[in-house]
Amino acid sequence: GAVVSQHPSRVICKSGTSVKIECRSLDFQATTMFWYRQFPKQSLMLMATSNEGSKATYEQGVEKDKFLINHASLTLSTLTVTSAHPEDSSFYICSAPTGLYGYTFGSGTRLTVV
Amino acid sequence: GENVEQHPSTLSVQEGDSAVIKCTYSDSASNYFPWYKQELGKRPQLIIDIRSNVGEKKDQRIAVTLNKTAKHFSLHITETQPEDSAVYFCAASKGSDYKLSFGAGTTVTVRA
Repeated sequence: GAVVSQHPSRVICKSGTSVKIECRSLDFQATTMFWYRQFPKQSLMLMATSNEGSKATYEQGVEKDKFLINHASLTLSTLTVTSAHPEDSSFYICSAPTGLYGYTFGSGTRLTVV
Repeated sequence: GENVEQHPSTLSVQEGDSAVIKCTYSDSASNYFPWYKQELGKRPQLIIDIRSNVGEKKDQRIAVTLNKTAKHFSLHITETQPEDSAVYFCAASKGSDYKLSFGAGTTVTVRA
């Protein structure tokens, strides 16, 4: 089945630094990648949609200069949290469409900013 | 955009009883309705899904019903077991080229 590999699974960074999260499609080409953020005991909220070779589309209220998304190839999409602050601590997860219906999710990244 | 509402937020059932979670959606163009089970710190796991051309789908102890006219869909879990305890999310989309909009989630606890 379609697999998305997400790394790192956990990261702790200092406030003010940047963190990069990678999602790779292992056995299929992901032309689209959805990036979600999930705070504790809350739902998954879409942050942005990336499309290979074009600029990402950000949801309302998401700072595009803070959450940089790059989708440079059909198998790799990255999310960089720039100048991270403690309020950015969250569970970040990517998802790629598979077929006409269905989505495959990465394993998620637990980001803690100290 | 799509707005998915999910109820209840928490549900406690006795082992062996049934659990029902209900969701409504706002965008009549939505045509795909998956249900996910998520354990703490893990990715959502698809447990069942339904498309808009079907009114009901069943997979062993799990069933989903869809009422397109009323724009609501429900998850039914029968003969609940302790391992069914988790957070369940409903979602809606217009097909996989479009984003998934998630409900707020239901924490299900199955009491032994």
